[in-house]
Amino acid sequence: NAGVTQTPKFRILKIGQSMTLQCTQDMNHNYMYWYRQDPGMGLKLIYYSVGAGITDKGEVPNGYNVSRSTTEDFPLRLELAAPSQTSVYFCASSYQGPYEQYFGPGTRLTVT
Amino acid sequence: GESVGLHLPTLSVQEGDNSIINCAYSNSASDYFIWYKQESGKGPQFIIDIRSNMDKRQGQRVTVLLNKTVKHLSLQIAATQPGDSAVYFCAERNTGNQFYFGTGTSLTVIP
Repeated sequence: NAGVTQTPKFRILKIGQSMTLQCTQDMNHNYMYWYRQDPGMGLKLIYYSVGAGITDKGEVPNGYNVSRSTTEDFPLRLELAAPSQTSVYFCASSYQGPYEQYFGPGTRLTVT
Repeated sequence: GESVGLHLPTLSVQEGDNSIINCAYSNSASDYFIWYKQESGKGPQFIIDIRSNMDKRQGQRVTVLLNKTVKHLSLQIAATQPGDSAVYFCAERNTGNQFYFGTGTSLTVIP
């Protein structure tokens, strides 16, 4: 199993541009999450999903959108990128509930 | 909102010594806690978890202690090794599906 994979690894965006961060897991996990991690800080939950077709907001959802059309994929969409969205983004998944989470390697995003 | 904090942002220990990393949480309704290890440039990695109906849980070289009276969590690493050098996060889960992470403690193991 590849586990949780994220693409791209790095990205630089200009202010106002849009992009989609991709996340895929091959563990047949129901729950998936998107976090952001600012320098020297802990992770903050952006959105999460408890299964295909179901998504919900986390602690910091503004400026982001998600969709969950399949069990495997949970893309994160940034519309109108802002410098405040400069961060490292981690996708995670867990099996049948909000328990042990498996994290991807992260996407480092810079908005200038 | 949630508040999960750590008493010490950095910790240095000699190789072979035991390490103790502390974490305070604010929500008495939190029912599940996880410790993660994050190495530089990587995503967090699960170490150990504990439910709120337990006081102690042991894994391989690691022990988590939970004191609900003072809302305190600790991670003990026995015989610390250079490979243990990383940032350690505690995370608490409230009554919903959301986890709240602390800011992390950077552990440095001195050979």
